[in-house]
Amino acid sequence: QSVLTQPPSVSGAPGQRVTISCTGSSSNIGAGYDVNWYQQLPGTAPKLLIYGNSNRPSGVPDRFSGSKSGTSASLAITGFQAEDEADYYCHSYDNRLGGSWVFGGGTKLTVL
Amino acid sequence: QVHLVQSGAEVKKPGASVKVSCKASGYTFIAYYMHWVRQAPGQGLEWMGWINPNSGGTNFAQKFQGRVTMTRDTSISTAYMELSRLTSDDTAVYYCVRSYTTGERNYWGQGTLVTVSS
Repeated sequence: QSVLTQPPSVSGAPGQRVTISCTGSSSNIGAGYDVNWYQQLPGTAPKLLIYGNSNRPSGVPDRFSGSKSGTSASLAITGFQAEDEADYYCHSYDNRLGGSWVFGGGTKLTVL
Repeated sequence: QVHLVQSGAEVKKPGASVKVSCKASGYTFIAYYMHWVRQAPGQGLEWMGWINPNSGGTNFAQKFQGRVTMTRDTSISTAYMELSRLTSDDTAVYYCVRSYTTGERNYWGQGTLVTVSS
């Protein structure tokens, strides 16, 4: 059971706007800690997509955006493309037990 | 720019130990905690623990306490993660990840595949 909750799967049609939710609690996202998002293509390492809730590293297209509100965060992809098919993970810090990192269980994003 | 370079793939027998290294460059090594995250085949990301390279202090996920050791050698900007009493469930890719402060990004090593098989 992951500390951060994501939907196991999300589907979208090409060109559509798709969103992935990430729900935490008062000890992690709700405490104000940054949320990061990763994209993982099969057989590759996770790639940082969004950091600090809504910032994109250089090279990440601006069709990817992140937001946070209360104990939840969301990743949005506008103009969904077939190449965006991948697993997506959210990540934050949790202030329990001496401080730890927590991850969502991952969301498999597929093209309809 | 920040780079984390990990040691190569390992194959170990059940009951053995494995030690993975992570050499950092492009920043002041002692200024950022180093975390270790693993991913078993077909599974999600799992946090293992962190080391403070400045003090050597550590904090581990409860699941790994008593079985994991994290150390560092500041003279060569390298962090190490050693996992003992390996079982097949420890077969995974292990990543070192440089921590971040609010609003900063993190950085990942390329990953080290550890295979536990008799």
